[in-house]
Amino acid sequence: DIQVTQSPSSLSASVGDRVTITCRASHSIMTYVNWYQQKPGEAPRLLIRAASSLHSGVPSRFSGSGSGTDFTLTISGLQPDDFATYYCQQSFGPPRTFGQGTKVEIK
Amino acid sequence: EVQLVESGGGLVRPGGSLRLSCEGSGFIFDDYAMHWVRQVPGKGLEWVSGISWNSGAIGYVDSVRGRFTISRDNAKKSLYLQMKSLRAEDSALYYCVKDFTQYSSNLNGDFDYWGQGTLVSVSS
Repeated sequence: DIQVTQSPSSLSASVGDRVTITCRASHSIMTYVNWYQQKPGEAPRLLIRAASSLHSGVPSRFSGSGSGTDFTLTISGLQPDDFATYYCQQSFGPPRTFGQGTKVEIK
Repeated sequence: EVQLVESGGGLVRPGGSLRLSCEGSGFIFDDYAMHWVRQVPGKGLEWVSGISWNSGAIGYVDSVRGRFTISRDNAKKSLYLQMKSLRAEDSALYYCVKDFTQYSSNLNGDFDYWGQGTLVSVSS
């Protein structure tokens, strides 16, 4: 199975900050990475598909980059609504696996 | 508006069975692969199983293969997960999830819409 490792597991940031979350895959997965946001009591929401493609309705302050084994989710100008847990996920090979999550908290 | 509504969760004893259902609306159900993803409350996400639009491709995570069976009825716009020989470690919130890609012959795994989940608890 392809392992996906996120870092950090949590971070504290202020409104307006630029936040970067990284995801590393155990094998090259080209650009088969997706990013999700999950708020407490809610289902996950797709933010970024195929490493860098912004999903419909997602604010442009979210962006994704990377290929191969290293990927990044960036939030440019953190908003109050962005405090949540973020997951990366590889869709390269079965089984589809998720990172362990990064909790973004208010500083 | 895409909606996915799960049902069928509950409390079951170890070794027991449950059948989860998911009804989709707001999109052409027949055209998309569908998946089950589970989450232990407060923990991470785990893909459990997926089925292509025409049931031609089916996949399972190793820990459930041979115990769980995924199926779909496109006429009823419904997805199912038959779970047998349940274990305590199967306890989780089970999400019904739609795949992004239309008419894909494989399972892809780009999860663009999620239901609110149905809770499965396996305990004696």
